Amino acid sequence: GDSVTQMEGPVTLSEEAFLTINCTYTATGYPSLFWYVQYPGEGLQLLLKATKADDKGSNKGFEATYRKETTSFHLEKGSVQVSDSAVYFCALSDGGYSGYALNFGKGTSLLVTP
Amino acid sequence: NAGVMQNPRHLVRRRGQEARLRCSPMKGHSHVYWYRQLPEEGLKFMVYLQKENIIDESGMPKERFSAEFPKEGPSILRIQQVVRGDSAAYFCASSPRGSASRNNEQFFGPGTRLTVL
Repeated sequence: GDSVTQMEGPVTLSEEAFLTINCTYTATGYPSLFWYVQYPGEGLQLLLKATKADDKGSNKGFEATYRKETTSFHLEKGSVQVSDSAVYFCALSDGGYSGYALNFGKGTSLLVTP
Repeated sequence: NAGVMQNPRHLVRRRGQEARLRCSPMKGHSHVYWYRQLPEEGLKFMVYLQKENIIDESGMPKERFSAEFPKEGPSILRIQQVVRGDSAAYFCASSPRGSASRNNEQFFGPGTRLTVL
């Protein structure tokens, strides 16, 4: 079945460092791909998404490109801030009949220090 | 516009008791989804409901778990006779549309952390 694998955390970075959180997926068909972020004590928020191969999702300085050839959707940010400290989840939906069911990775905790 | 509300935020139950988790979707949303996050795992889909209808419960355990979304009031996830393995974070999400829409964003609540003693 469909699955998402993302890098283990926690990830600790200094402010203004470059961030990469790896995400790879296994899916039949043509899934949509998502990154969600969860700040402490809050629900998951959609950060960005891509619905077809080679699409790039971007928001708040974060970017991820849907790479069908490598089945990846890595999250990147050029210069992280302390306020980016959160848990990041990669997810997919298969876009078919059950396209509403999101399939999540385990989450990667990011801590940014001043 | 209030977001998705879940209560309680934390729930402690002893083995054999019942747990009732509530979810109020965003205003104007008639589609609700429940997910469970076991320790050290990602969120897993449990059930998808529209008002008064269960559309897909393929991710829900066959026994002890039930969900409803009545015409009036919040969606309820009910777990009967809880066991320690039910300890998890339960997240609710809502959307204005359902089914296979590539632009169908799900908005999540803060979750209910269930601890079974």
